[in-house]
Amino acid sequence: AQKITQTQPGMFVQEKEAVTLDCTYDTSDQSYGLFWYKQPSSGEMIFLIYQGSYDEQNATEGRYSLNFQKARKSANLVISASQLGDSAMYFCAMSYLGGDSNYQLIWGAGTKLIIKP
Amino acid sequence: EADIYQTPRYLVIGTGKKITLECSQTMGHDKMYWYQQDPGMELHLIHYSYGVNSTEKGDLSSESTVSRIRTEHFPLTLESARPSHTSQYLCASSDDRRNEQFFGPGTRLTVL
Repeated sequence: AQKITQTQPGMFVQEKEAVTLDCTYDTSDQSYGLFWYKQPSSGEMIFLIYQGSYDEQNATEGRYSLNFQKARKSANLVISASQLGDSAMYFCAMSYLGGDSNYQLIWGAGTKLIIKP
Repeated sequence: EADIYQTPRYLVIGTGKKITLECSQTMGHDKMYWYQQDPGMELHLIHYSYGVNSTEKGDLSSESTVSRIRTEHFPLTLESARPSHTSQYLCASSDDRRNEQFFGPGTRLTVL
């Protein structure tokens, strides 16, 4: 069965420090995708970054990078030089091919990140 | 500009009322989803659709119903709202390229 685990319910980080948010996944599929989304207190879900299982390079999007360690089944999000506006919930998700031949998306429980000034 | 819309953004309603939460997308996506989420908590999939006339129940049992008569429109209906339905409802659609989900702004529902 597919599973996503985010072990950090909450984190406090000093402004301008780098942040690593943990995400581990479990799947026996060879083809899958990994996503990170940000959800500020306003409630909208904002796509941050994507990593395909066959991508050899770690994905990067501005201050966001995904530390993809396939053998360990981990897909940690790294935020460099954190800012106050980074305070939000962060969700890890995995896309995989379901039994009905459609791609499904499963979600982690989320990590609440608070950036301290 | 391609986007996904939800109305209303906020709704406060009394117990027993029938409500419909609207969701529309202009991206031409076949797949659409409804999630229920309490503040600061995980997302729970309550309904999804793979295309017109296709609707399925998600992982979390819900008393709501959905319909998909047009590709761009995926409304969610509660026949008789209860305080336990108080939550945020997020609508999303996904492309076929990598199954990235695009979210609407959400509807925050409060049932008194």
